[in-house]
Amino acid sequence: EPEVTQTPSHQVTQMGQEVILRCVPISNHLYFYWYRQILGQKVEFLVSFYNNEISEKSEIFDDQFSVERPDGSNFTLKIRSTKLEDSAMYFCASRFYTDTQYFGPGTRLTVL
Amino acid sequence: QKEVEQNSGPLSVPEGAIASLNCTYSDRGSQSFFWYRQYSGKSPELIMFIYSNGDKEDGRFTAQLNKASQYVSLLIRDSQPSDSATYLCAATYGSGNTGKLIFGQGTTLQVKP
Repeated sequence: EPEVTQTPSHQVTQMGQEVILRCVPISNHLYFYWYRQILGQKVEFLVSFYNNEISEKSEIFDDQFSVERPDGSNFTLKIRSTKLEDSAMYFCASRFYTDTQYFGPGTRLTVL
Repeated sequence: QKEVEQNSGPLSVPEGAIASLNCTYSDRGSQSFFWYRQYSGKSPELIMFIYSNGDKEDGRFTAQLNKASQYVSLLIRDSQPSDSATYLCAATYGSGNTGKLIFGQGTTLQVKP
């Protein structure tokens, strides 16, 4: 069964460093999302992406964040200058035309 | 502010019992509702989705939607210890090219052998 994959599973970085989180959505899906979950808190929407552009972004998704779909398979989230409060699980999700989103296993980001 | 509310629990039921999980949502514009299961440290795993008023059954799981009351529920019959997890209710907001999910804080279910 097709699934969303994410790499790395765990990323440790120093405050102020740039990180890139990678996702490979399900191959025929058209809509792509990033969510994050701070430990013990809700899953929060960050950004949605369709037809090679951002379709919606949350207040969390400020100028330090960017997304890209550099080729036909990868979908990346870049954080330019990480802060301590960026420490969280980051989930990629994708969907086809229906509303049902499928989540990847997540990347645990730890900012020291 | 669009909100999805759940009782965080924990909800404790004995093995073999029915577990009932509830969720309310604030925006009548939401069209689709989802239940995800999340084990500690793992990603949300889709259990069920429901779009129309009424009940939808899938094996041991039944989702119920009441749009007039803005209420969604999930029943788990014959609960097993492996069902112990956090259950996330989510609603879709935005049409067209968005369709973001807004999640509740999750209800922790404990099924005791």
